[in-house]
Amino acid sequence: GENVEQHPSTLSVQEGDSAVIKCTYSDSASNYFPWYKQELGKRPQLIIDIRSNVGEKKDQRIAVTLNKTAKHFSLHITETQPEDSAVYFCAASYNTDKLIFGTGTRLQVFP
Amino acid sequence: DAGVIQSPRHEVTEMGQEVTLRCKPISGHDYLFWYRQTMMRGLELLIYFNNNVPIDDSGMPEDRFSAKMPNASFSTLKIQPSEPRDSAVYFCASLAGTTTDTQYFGPGTRLTVL
Repeated sequence: GENVEQHPSTLSVQEGDSAVIKCTYSDSASNYFPWYKQELGKRPQLIIDIRSNVGEKKDQRIAVTLNKTAKHFSLHITETQPEDSAVYFCAASYNTDKLIFGTGTRLQVFP
Repeated sequence: DAGVIQSPRHEVTEMGQEVTLRCKPISGHDYLFWYRQTMMRGLELLIYFNNNVPIDDSGMPEDRFSAKMPNASFSTLKIQPSEPRDSAVYFCASLAGTTTDTQYFGPGTRLTVL
């Protein structure tokens, strides 16, 4: 079955710097890669997703890149702000049903 | 749209008791998922339904866990008997369809088994 590895487990950055979180997946049939943000005590919320027919997607300060050959995808957050502090999860699936989640990255943005 | 609704939001029970968690998916969504989140194991898929039919229950940890979806607007996850290691946050999520939509999570139920 699918296995998703996520790195780093924790990431600390200064406000205004960029943050990059990387994930690798094992099943080459996976074609859907969402990223969720989870604030303390809250539900995971989708922040961006990418499907295997594109290599990059942007939404304001957030971007995701996908390398199907290498089976890895990354989340890029530019101009980080304190409110970006949260746990970020990547996931992979064939279509959007059975999501397999990474272990999460705790991002701390210091003012 | 009210989003995915879960109840109760918090549950504290004693070992050996039966626990029932409830979920109402977003109206019109064909898929419903139950997840468990712990520090040790992260976010795990327990079971999911499509049109009220269980599709994959391979994540259900053991026979003490069972899930039902009697209709399109309601699902339950039952633990009987409960054990301290079942303490976790249980999330329900729903999905309209697999080709263009994504999963939306409910607020979760924090279960503590003493």
